[in-house]
Amino acid sequence: RKEVEQDPGPFNVPEGATVAFNCTYSNSASQSFFWYRQDCRKEPKLLMSVYSSGNEDGRFTAQLNRASQYISLLIRDSKLSDSATYLCVVSTGGGNKLTFGTGTQLKVEL
Amino acid sequence: EAGVVQSPRYKIIEKKQPVAFWCNPISGHNTLYWYLQNLGQGPELLIRYENEEAVDDSQLPKDRFSAERLKGVDSTLKIQPAELGDSAVYLCASSRDRADTGELFFGEGSRLTVL
Repeated sequence: RKEVEQDPGPFNVPEGATVAFNCTYSNSASQSFFWYRQDCRKEPKLLMSVYSSGNEDGRFTAQLNRASQYISLLIRDSKLSDSATYLCVVSTGGGNKLTFGTGTQLKVEL
Repeated sequence: EAGVVQSPRYKIIEKKQPVAFWCNPISGHNTLYWYLQNLGQGPELLIRYENEEAVDDSQLPKDRFSAERLKGVDSTLKIQPAELGDSAVYLCASSRDRADTGELFFGEGSRLTVL
């Protein structure tokens, strides 16, 4: 079993739709959680951290369920520019090891 | 502020040839990472440095891969000899201190094609 698992997609959604991605992790000792965004043929960039109480950044909402060991990312009112791969990232080992999921590809269409 | 700089951006070599990648992290970032990313996969850690010390190289295939970070700044990653399966993007990243703030800053990557 992979340490961090994501549905690879692609998720094809119309502009304006709401889309949600889930991610599961296997190490119950994982401490910190993040979502990164990676555009085609570009480097990954931090989108947002995921806090236990859930957090929101504009149209993006991240949630963490430690009991079930999963993380989610909700995107509301999808824009064409949201088309990218979204990588779930989990921190273990005292915070010094970041493990990336395989990524979920999102395509927002007109 | 300049970002993480990597070179070369692209490299095409024949199998069994050596290749080297260079990375200059963001100024003041003590921790440097080399990741490998295959098509359709997430980045996988090869090695992590804190200053000049390699603190996690458990995923580095040491029979053919080597890395160094002299003086705790720039780093090089070498493959010798390269194999067909090494074709991938090699990403360098840096962070100021611990990674659990989640803020890794990646370079644009070095795309290797082994023929």
